Amino acid sequence: AQSVSQHNHHVILSEAASLELGCNYSYGGTVNLFWYVQYPGQHLQLLLKYFSGDPLVKGIKGFEAEFIKSKFSFNLRKPSVQWSDTAEYFCAVIRNTGGFKTIFGAGTRLFVKA
Amino acid sequence: SQTIHQWPATLVQPVGSPLSLECTVEGTSNPNLYWYRQAAGRGLQLLFYSVGIGQISSEVPQNLSASRPQDRQFILSSKKLLLSDSGFYLCAWSSQRENEQFFGPGTRLTVL
Repeated sequence: AQSVSQHNHHVILSEAASLELGCNYSYGGTVNLFWYVQYPGQHLQLLLKYFSGDPLVKGIKGFEAEFIKSKFSFNLRKPSVQWSDTAEYFCAVIRNTGGFKTIFGAGTRLFVKA
Repeated sequence: SQTIHQWPATLVQPVGSPLSLECTVEGTSNPNLYWYRQAAGRGLQLLFYSVGIGQISSEVPQNLSASRPQDRQFILSSKKLLLSDSGFYLCAWSSQRENEQFFGPGTRLTVL
C-alpha cells in the first residue's frame, strides 16, 4: 500500500540551527509532493509543493525541499530556524494520475528554543 | 478569496448519540471536498472525499458517513457515536485542476 514515512516524530532545535526533516514515500509512479505546516492554534496550511521541473523547491518563510526521485524522498530544509517555526510539519503525496487521494505522513513536531 | 468553515469548533457527545459536522466553502465552485481525522502521532487519515454533489467515496470502513447536498457543503454524520470516534476532524477542499488542499479550522469531537 502507498505510504509516507516521516523519520522524526519530535525534533528540538535551538534558534539559528539548521533543520532537515526527512520524508520518504512508497509509490513508484509520478507523484505530486507537498509539505504542510500547522502552527499552534492555526489551520493546516501549505508550506511548499513539487509538481514537476526543478527538484529543489522553495516555499514560504525560507523553507525549501528537494525531490530525489531515486530515493523516493522529499526532505524539508531550512538553514536557520526561528522560534516562530515551532509547529507540526506534514509531508504528503498524491499520485499524478488524476486521483484525489492524498497520503499524509504522521507528522513531525518541531520545537525551537529561543 | 476562498474560505472554508467548519462547525462546531468543539463538541462533546455521549456514546450512542448522533453526529452531524458541517463544512462549507466560499469563493469557489465545484471544489473537491475531503474529510480527514487527525490523530496525534498518526497524521491525517482520509475518511471521505467528494468530486461533486451526491458523489461520495469512502476510504475507511467505519461508523461514519458523509453527504454533499450542495456544491459547497460537506457533512460528516453518524447515527450512533462510539468512543473511538473521538478525535479532531478536518475538512479540506481543492480545485479540480490543482491538488493543493486548503484546510478548515477543524472540529474537536469528544465522545464520552
